[in-house]
Amino acid sequence: DIQMTQSPSSLSASVGDRVTITCRASQTISDYLNWYQQRPGKAPKLLIYTASSLQSGVPSRFRGSRSGTDFTLTISSLQPEDFATYYCQQGFSTPRTFGQGTKLEMK
Amino acid sequence: EVQLMESGGGLVKPGGSLRLSCAASGFSFRTYSMNWVRQVPGKGLEWVAFISSSGRNTQYVDSVKGRFTISRDNAKNSLYLQMNSLKVEDTAVFYCARNNHDSFDIWGQGTTVTVSS
Repeated sequence: DIQMTQSPSSLSASVGDRVTITCRASQTISDYLNWYQQRPGKAPKLLIYTASSLQSGVPSRFRGSRSGTDFTLTISSLQPEDFATYYCQQGFSTPRTFGQGTKLEMK
Repeated sequence: EVQLMESGGGLVKPGGSLRLSCAASGFSFRTYSMNWVRQVPGKGLEWVAFISSSGRNTQYVDSVKGRFTISRDNAKNSLYLQMNSLKVEDTAVFYCARNNHDSFDIWGQGTTVTVSS
C-alpha cells in the first residue's frame, strides 16, 4: 500500500497568513494526488485534484503543486472559513490512501 | 443540485450486520463509479470500497474483505454497503463518495455506525 505522510500535523496561523501543507508519497504516484478540506462535523470537500487542478467553486487562494513525490497545498491568504483539517489522498492505486491530516488552527 | 444522502447507520452488536444505503440525485449516477469512505470519530479518513459504474468491478480495503459487500442499483440511483461480522473497530461515520478524476468529488453527509455490546 502507498503511505501518505502529511506535515505538519497541526499548524497555528492568523487571518491573512500564507500557509503551506506538505504531503509525501511512499512511492511514485505521478500527479494522482488530491487535497480535501474538512470542517468539524461536516463531510470532506474536494479542493484540488491531480496535484494542481482547482475544483470548481474553490477559491483561487488554494493552490496545489508537485515536486517528485512531494506535494504541497498552499493557501495564499487565510480567511476565517479556512480553519479546518486538510487531508491529502492518492488516486494512483488501490487501496486509496489518505494522509493523517493537518489541523489548521487560529493563532 | 448534485447530492448524495446516506442512511442505514445505527447501533449493532459485535458480529451483527447492517446495510447502508446512499441515494444519489442531480447527476447521471449510472455513469460514475462510487466509493465508501469511513472515519472513526476524531480520526482520519479511510477508503473502504469501490464499485465501477456498471457494478461489475469492486475493490475493498483488506480489513473488510470477506465481510463487506458494495453494490449498486443504477435504476434506483442507489449505492449500498452490506456489512457483516461487524467488529468494534468498524465503528465510524461512513460516507459515500463519487469518483471523478481519480478523486472523491462529491460526498454525502455521512451515517454513523456504532458497534458495541
